[in-house]
Amino acid sequence: AQRVTQPEKLLSVFKGAPVELKCNYSYSGSPELFWYVQYSRQRLQLLLRHISRESIKGFTADLNKGETSFHLKKPFAQEEDSAMYYCALSGHAGTALIFGKGTTLSVSS
Amino acid sequence: DAGVIQSPRHEVTEMGQEVTLRCKPISGHDYLFWYRQTMMRGLELLIYFNNNVPIDDSGMPEDRFSAKMPNASFSTLKIQPSEPRDSAVYFCASSLPRGRTGELFFGEGSRLTVL
Repeated sequence: AQRVTQPEKLLSVFKGAPVELKCNYSYSGSPELFWYVQYSRQRLQLLLRHISRESIKGFTADLNKGETSFHLKKPFAQEEDSAMYYCALSGHAGTALIFGKGTTLSVSS
Repeated sequence: DAGVIQSPRHEVTEMGQEVTLRCKPISGHDYLFWYRQTMMRGLELLIYFNNNVPIDDSGMPEDRFSAKMPNASFSTLKIQPSEPRDSAVYFCASSLPRGRTGELFFGEGSRLTVL
């Protein structure tokens, strides 16, 4: 069965501190992994996807198939990073995204 | 394009009443998804359509829930009768076939409160 686990409901850090939002998944094949973000009063939107291997707003995420993880990282958190972050998995083409329960990131000065 | 449009944005109703949530996907998108967001369970997939045809409704919690997509530009999610545990934010999202972008575009959500 497909499953996405985000173990932290809330992560609080100070501005300038490193951030790591954890995501583990369960899938028997080769999934596609995504991070979505929901800022206050904004729509849920795509942050990044593993196949692009890109850095968006300073965030990166590496797919570790051995550990079945796709942790989201940023070396120096900013207050504007405060939001709800969802990790999502997609199996074969045409299937829907399965989301984790989300982690609220709170960055304070 | 205004993006995915959902209505109503907020709905407060009493237990036992029928609730209908509406969604207009982005023009040209082949896939439409309904998700439910709660604090306890996060973002759950309820049902999704491809070219107006329901593909997977295994996430629909009970027979009280039903969804339709009569044409490419409109979908409804109906709850009848509603119960307090249905209180949540319901999101509609649309996308092109995953082989092209894999990105979901979400609406602003419909916040449902059942008293």
